[in-house]
Amino acid sequence: EDKVVQSPLSLVVHEGDTVTLNCSYEVTNFRSLLWYKQEKKAPTFLFMLTSSGIEKKSGRLSSILDKKELFSILNITATQTGDSAVYLCAGKNSGNTPLVFGKGTRLSVIA
Amino acid sequence: DAGVIQSPRHEVTEMGQEVTLRCKPISGHNSLFWYRQTMMRGLELLIYFNNNVPIDDSGMPEDRFSAKMPNASFSTLKIQPSEPRDSAVYFCASSLLPGQGSGANVLTFGAGSRLTVL
Repeated sequence: EDKVVQSPLSLVVHEGDTVTLNCSYEVTNFRSLLWYKQEKKAPTFLFMLTSSGIEKKSGRLSSILDKKELFSILNITATQTGDSAVYLCAGKNSGNTPLVFGKGTRLSVIA
Repeated sequence: DAGVIQSPRHEVTEMGQEVTLRCKPISGHNSLFWYRQTMMRGLELLIYFNNNVPIDDSGMPEDRFSAKMPNASFSTLKIQPSEPRDSAVYFCASSLLPGQGSGANVLTFGAGSRLTVL
């Protein structure tokens, strides 16, 4: 059975800190890995990673995929209170089956 | 596009009552997914449709749950009878099927329906 495991489950940091969120996956016929941010409402899409070693970047957020070791990391630099959210990681295979989500990492950034 | 639209946003009902949640996917998307989210279990896939056809409903917890997609722009998730353990946020999401555009596989979620069963 495909699975995605995220760590840590929760994290509390101070504004300005840099954080690294981890996601490991076991997905048959793996195709891509996606990161979502969920604040109070619906998850919103951040990144989709398909190739190893190519960093995707959006402002203070960046992510990279390692298809050999079957993991991805999401980095957030100079954290702000607005980064407080649950970050979800999901794996996708090459077929028509749905994303497999991890349980998320709850990040709290305190002033 | 207004995104994925769900209703109601909040529903409070008593045990035993029927609950119907509604979803309008993004126009042009041909895959639709129903998820349930709780603190304990995270985001769980209940059922998904491709081109309005139910593909996998193995995530539906019991026969009390049913889902339909009568056309490409509307889906319902029904719980009858509802129980307190059904209390959760129910999300609908849609996407393009793989190979049908650069956004394929990227799910867009609705704002969710928060269900409380007393």
